[in-house]
Amino acid sequence: DAMVIQNPRYQVTQFGKPVTLSCSQTLNHNVMYWYQQKSSQAPKLLFHYYDKDFNNEADTPDNFQSRRPNTSFCFLDIRSPGLGDAAMYLCATSRDGTGLDQPQHFGDGTRLSIL
Amino acid sequence: GQNIDQPTEMTATEGAIVQINCTYQTSGFNGLFWYQQHAGEAPTFLSYNVLDGLEEKGRFSSFLSRSKGYSYLLLKELQMKDSASYLCAFYNQGGKLIFGQGTELSVKP
Repeated sequence: DAMVIQNPRYQVTQFGKPVTLSCSQTLNHNVMYWYQQKSSQAPKLLFHYYDKDFNNEADTPDNFQSRRPNTSFCFLDIRSPGLGDAAMYLCATSRDGTGLDQPQHFGDGTRLSIL
Repeated sequence: GQNIDQPTEMTATEGAIVQINCTYQTSGFNGLFWYQQHAGEAPTFLSYNVLDGLEEKGRFSSFLSRSKGYSYLLLKELQMKDSASYLCAFYNQGGKLIFGQGTELSVKP
């Protein structure tokens, strides 16, 4: 009954080689989020989509891009991964992002390793 | 400004009760969430408080005092599987979920 699905669970890429992580949801939620989480740290918001409207965090590097072709799918593209980009990447959704009694639902994450 | 603070780590014994505290500061408040995160896994939603008081869900309870900017998560009858990181978080006025650093709970036999 997975509601937020991330593929793959583990991804290995080479330094500088573009990589795409995917997320899909069956909740029909308006908002989809991408977080980066490094060991023993809180998740860090990279960007989110409210429907088709893209909202980038000010400190998200240009190296990180996102696409949301439809309600169900959202992609994270890392154009030229560096060693510092090795992390767990979490996708999450919420109904309308107001927060009121709306927890974010997280996928299982993709652990990205850079060789 | 806005910030959120919780202890880095705690240790407790199987079968015991543990309370994990969280203090926060924000100009806009839409409720406080607690998440559980096992190592290498995604956060899972535990509880939500928007009004003052205690919310109980089985072995887990969460308390909120808005005037004090304070919440706690209470875990009863601790089990080994409760060893995890516990994150408190709130939505700010811009709709962004602000997470604490997480409290790493170790449950010992």
